Amino acid sequence: DTEVTQTPKHLVMGMTNKKSLKCEQHMGHRAMYWYKQKAKKPPELMFVYSYEKLSINESVPSRFSPECPNSSLLNLHLHALQPEDSALYLCASSQGEPAGNQPQHFGDGTRLSIL
Amino acid sequence: AQKITQTQPGMFVQEKEAVTLDCTYDTSDPSYGLFWYKQPSSGEMIFLIYQGSYDQQNATEGRYSLNFQKARKSANLVISASQLGDSAMYFCAMREGPPAGGYQKVTFGIGTKLQVIP
Repeated sequence: DTEVTQTPKHLVMGMTNKKSLKCEQHMGHRAMYWYKQKAKKPPELMFVYSYEKLSINESVPSRFSPECPNSSLLNLHLHALQPEDSALYLCASSQGEPAGNQPQHFGDGTRLSIL
Repeated sequence: AQKITQTQPGMFVQEKEAVTLDCTYDTSDPSYGLFWYKQPSSGEMIFLIYQGSYDQQNATEGRYSLNFQKARKSANLVISASQLGDSAMYFCAMREGPPAGGYQKVTFGIGTKLQVIP
């Protein structure tokens, strides 16, 4: 079992739906990440939160909206997605300062399919 | 230019044998970190091993070791005594520059698919 919990594990939604992906960690980490991973490709960074503040947005379309309500939770709100947004969405967390050699810990991911 | 290069799309290894997965990187920053992750078909990314650019010794974690050749900019992963459960995708990743802002921004290579044969 991973220490980063993502729900749901699978999600199928239409292009007009609104849904949210959730991520939770209780390791006391202060940095949290969202990645998108297409089949047979490496993960691509979408957003980074550090100490509950958005630190990086990798020019992600506005139909993806991240939220970090507290240091343990990270959400990704989805609205009006396109079929090409179908992918595995991975959440990760890592220790805050000092980051040093601390790796990111990943959840199992949410497999998202857009109809 | 690619920051991380993994030239082996797929590798086969006999159970109980050792295998080396290649990774080369490109950076002009003297401070950086290199990570290896394993991704089984279930999807979870599992951290295996880390090597810092200033580390004097090659990193080791159980059956995993990192062959770090700084001058050649290579950071190959060596898995000893392969097991069937080692069958997975393996990603090399790099953090350029010292960690800042309390987070690690890494770039992943395209991965190598390892299959362990009984």
